[in-house]
Amino acid sequence: GAGVSQTPSNKVTEKGKYVELRCDPISGHTALYWYRQSLGQGPEFLIYFQGTGAADDSGLPNDRFFAVRPEGSVSTLKIQRTERGDSAVYLCASSLSDRSGRAGETQYFGPGTRLLVL
Amino acid sequence: AQKITQTQPGMFVQEKEAVTLDCTYDTSDPSYGLFWYKQPSSGEMIFLIYQGSYDQQNATEGRYSLNFQKARKSANLVISASQLGDSAMYFCAMREGEYDTDKLIFGTGTRLQVFP
Repeated sequence: GAGVSQTPSNKVTEKGKYVELRCDPISGHTALYWYRQSLGQGPEFLIYFQGTGAADDSGLPNDRFFAVRPEGSVSTLKIQRTERGDSAVYLCASSLSDRSGRAGETQYFGPGTRLLVL
Repeated sequence: AQKITQTQPGMFVQEKEAVTLDCTYDTSDPSYGLFWYKQPSSGEMIFLIYQGSYDQQNATEGRYSLNFQKARKSANLVISASQLGDSAMYFCAMREGEYDTDKLIFGTGTRLQVFP
């Protein structure tokens, strides 16, 4: 079946602009995650959704970052007043999870959106 | 303290040989999971293998095996019979806690290059 998809694959914007990044998870996956990967680093957690609600947003760096998942499927990461330091690859992942306590539920990642803020 | 430490920025291996990529972790939670992902130049993170903290045996998936040493808090990835297509970044990651929906914490990665 189809994997996690992300659009756009690349986004170039100017400092101060607003951007939206979209993630379409694997069908039926209830958990959705956003990570940010800077050059030469591993991915860093931003936010996690279980269904429509943000279960953990502790990784969002500041209030310029916001994410939604209104229908429990597609998610949009929104960045206001972009800064050059926001340039990174934004990765989305999803997993099939019902918080049953089973271990080992794998997160499947999309190809990422490469954001460049000039 | 770093939660996940990968001390090898880069590794070289000849085709058909085995290679071990190191990973140590730090957690006080008795329940956790350890993952390895491969990231080729295309950028997508590809899941390779998982080891749970309560698993008695080392995980294996085809040519990948995880050398889990709980007392030493290490979870090294072993790739047997390396192939040219194995050249990529490899990331070790940890999920803390009982529930499988918790975030992953990643290391800084190891770049593996396989040469003919």
